[in-house]
Amino acid sequence: DVKVTQSSRYLVKRTGEKVFLECVQDMDHENMFWYRQDPGLGLRLIYFSYDVKMKEKGDIPEGYSVSREKKERFSLILESASTNQTSMYLCASRKIGQSFNYGYTFGSGTRLTVV
Amino acid sequence: ILNVEQSPQSLHVQEGDSTNFTCSFPSSNFYALHWYRWETAKSPEALFVMTLNGDEKKKGRISATLNTKEGYSYLYIKGSQPEDSATYLCAFMTTDSWGKLQFGAGTQVVVTP
Repeated sequence: DVKVTQSSRYLVKRTGEKVFLECVQDMDHENMFWYRQDPGLGLRLIYFSYDVKMKEKGDIPEGYSVSREKKERFSLILESASTNQTSMYLCASRKIGQSFNYGYTFGSGTRLTVV
Repeated sequence: ILNVEQSPQSLHVQEGDSTNFTCSFPSSNFYALHWYRWETAKSPEALFVMTLNGDEKKKGRISATLNTKEGYSYLYIKGSQPEDSATYLCAFMTTDSWGKLQFGAGTQVVVTP
């Protein structure tokens, strides 16, 4: 069964800490995405990656960075965690050319609380 | 940022009843419309990917229609069951979005026995 795995389901971090959220997919997908989801708002795109070592800012990249050194892994980095980054973070992937019949494949999310 | 609006925000349905809800999106530069079901503590799961005006898709008791000219899609659940309880997300892709989806805030459906 193909999957996208996020390393932690729940995470509590302190303000100012550097936080790493890891996402691994086993489907050889080129594109990977990081979204955050907050109550009353849609999923908002933080960063995405077309392929290995390629990255592009999404709609809300401030305070975040990403790393994609290998095709299967896409890491989201909170450089200095702040309380307004408390949120549900979702990773997703897709294979180029499959989007007509297939949607994104999502991980199950990481609920991050910054205290 | 393109606006994708979903309504209602939430709805409660009695088991066995049918229901429907709406996704509105900008009609220009349309490429694809996705529907996802997101159950609590699980990953969002793709239900439908729709690309053509007039498209109708069906999966079991759930179906969806698409009107790209006026910019809306309906999702229908026939004979709702408790396992249909979830948040239903729609997401919109334009011809120049390079595969990125713009999501609505979702419609939360609660089916009570």
